Formats: sequence, structure tokens, C-alpha cells
Amino acid sequence: EDQVTQSPEALRLQEGESSSLNCSYTVSGLRGLFWYRQDPGKGPEFLFTLYSAGEEKEKERLKATLTKKESFLHITAPKPEDSATYLCAVREYGGATNKLIFGTGTLLAVQP
Amino acid sequence: GAVVSQHPSRVICKSGTSVKIECRSLDFQATTMFWYRQFPKQSLMLMATSNEGSKATYEQGVEKDKFLINHASLTLSTLTVTSAHPEDSSFYICSAGSGTGNTEAFFGQGTRLTVV
Repeated sequence: EDQVTQSPEALRLQEGESSSLNCSYTVSGLRGLFWYRQDPGKGPEFLFTLYSAGEEKEKERLKATLTKKESFLHITAPKPEDSATYLCAVREYGGATNKLIFGTGTLLAVQP
Repeated sequence: GAVVSQHPSRVICKSGTSVKIECRSLDFQATTMFWYRQFPKQSLMLMATSNEGSKATYEQGVEKDKFLINHASLTLSTLTVTSAHPEDSSFYICSAGSGTGNTEAFFGQGTRLTVV
């Protein structure tokens, strides 16, 4: 069964303390891995799409990387405004058009 | 990025009544829209996929007669929760894509439904 697992479930960091979030996936053929940020009571906000192993993308303090089995979201010198739930999702070949399978997310809290 | 607008953001309704939630793509034509449900501290669960002008495809376990989806135009899809009950209380989120392929999905702001 296709699966997306995120770890840790929750992460508390001090401002400036860099760390990484993990997203492990098992799909028959990856057609894109997506990272989103979700604030409480809001819909997910798109961050990155990765398509192939070795690919990396950056945006401000965030950097996403991809291997054949997992993706990491690296947060460098985080600030309190980076506090949110970070979701990853995968799209697979052979599945319904554009259907995404989501992980349960990592709740990040950055303390000043 | 593309903008998807969802309305209302919050709604409280009485048990047994129906509630309609709208999802609009504001700056692109959405050939496909998706409806998700999210329970507290859980991830998004896909309820159904709707393509403009055709019937929605529902995920296993989702009652099509209870969650009516209409996608009559390339910019609007609606989800109607019929005969709502307290267990239908949840956070409903729509997303839209502009076509096939590896397009990222853009999400609405979500609708918090509370059935009392």
C-alpha cells in the first residue's frame, strides 16, 4: 500500500537552531513530491515540488531535498514565524490524475 | 502562485440541515478540483475528485449522496453536506489544478463546519 510517513510528529526548536523534517514514502512510481506549510485554521500553502532523486529547492530559510525513498525539509536558523505544520504529499504514476497522498505532518514550534 | 478562494471560512448549522461550500479558482481555469476533509491533528483525507462537466469520483467510504459535489464551470466547484450531523463537523478544504501532469495543487483557505 502506498504510504507517506512524516517524522517527527512534533518538533520544538529555539530560534536559530537549525533542523530537518523527514518525509518517507513508498509508491510504485513517483510523479512528484510536494511540501506544504499549514497554519492553524488555514489551508495548506504550497512550498516546493521535487520530481527526481538528487533534486534540491530552496526558499528563504527552507531547503527541500529528495532521494528515492525520502525527502528532507531543512530549516536553517528558524524564526518564530516559521512555526506551523509542514505537510508532505506524493503523487504517483498510474493513480488518479493529480491525486495527492498526504503524510500526517510535522508540527514545528520555534521559540524566541 | 495561483489563487483558490473558498467560502465560507466558518459555518455553524443545525443538525439535519444542509450546508454548501464554494471553491473558486480566481486566476486560472481549474479542470480538476479536489475536496479534502481534515480532522484535528490529522492529515488531509481526499473525499472526492471533480472534473468540470462530469460526475465526481468519490473515495472509498465517502457517501456520495451525503456529500454532493458540483463542478459546473472551470472556476467553481461546490460541496454540499446534506442532512448534516455532528459527526460531519470537520475542516473541509478544496484544491484545484489546471490540468493533467505534474502541476502542484493550490488550496483554498478551508471551511470549518460545526454541526450542532
